[in-house]
Amino acid sequence: AQSVTQPDIHITVSEGASLELRCNYSYGATPYLFWYVQSPGQGLQLLLKYFSGDTLVQGIKGFEAEFKRSQSSFNLRKPSVHWSDAAEYFCAVGGRNSGYALNFGKGTSLLVTP
Amino acid sequence: KAGVTQTPRYLIKTRGQQVTLSCSPISGHRSVSWYQQTPGQGLQFLFEYFSETQRNKGNFPGRFSGRQFSNSRSEMNVSTLELGDSALYLCASSLAASGGNEQFFGPGTRLTVL
Repeated sequence: AQSVTQPDIHITVSEGASLELRCNYSYGATPYLFWYVQSPGQGLQLLLKYFSGDTLVQGIKGFEAEFKRSQSSFNLRKPSVHWSDAAEYFCAVGGRNSGYALNFGKGTSLLVTP
Repeated sequence: KAGVTQTPRYLIKTRGQQVTLSCSPISGHRSVSWYQQTPGQGLQFLFEYFSETQRNKGNFPGRFSGRQFSNSRSEMNVSTLELGDSALYLCASSLAASGGNEQFFGPGTRLTVL
């Protein structure tokens, strides 16, 4: 069975501080991994994706994520958070085993304080 | 290039009624997927259509159905609405049903069942 766990429901960081959002997955084959962001009342925007190759992937808005197969993790990072980064972040896994449907984590809500 | 559009954006129905939601994918995209987002269950995959054929289906009752037209536009229908069907319904399009193709999400249709 495939699943995605985002252990942190809420995270609060100060503007300018670094950020790491955790994501662990369970998948029976080579996973395709994604991070999406959702602002209130909006749809999902793709931040970055991992299919293969370099395990450190760069995304939009200064985000990056590192795929660690041994830990079944795909954590999202940003060196310096801006107030506009406040949103809901979703990790998702997909691939051949799921017919390429995305299996999402429950999300992490990010609050940025001044 | 226009993004994924969904109509209507908001909908209020009463229990027992049926509803049809519409999704227009990005031009050239042939795969359309539907997801249900609720506070309790998070984002859950409903079904995916490619070239007018349903290729994948999530674990939802038969009251949820969909279809895709020759121009790739898609509709989903929910019959005999229940209170628990209140949710944000998100449509996503991609070039093909492949894990190598990212899914682009629309803003969603907010359905409220009274």
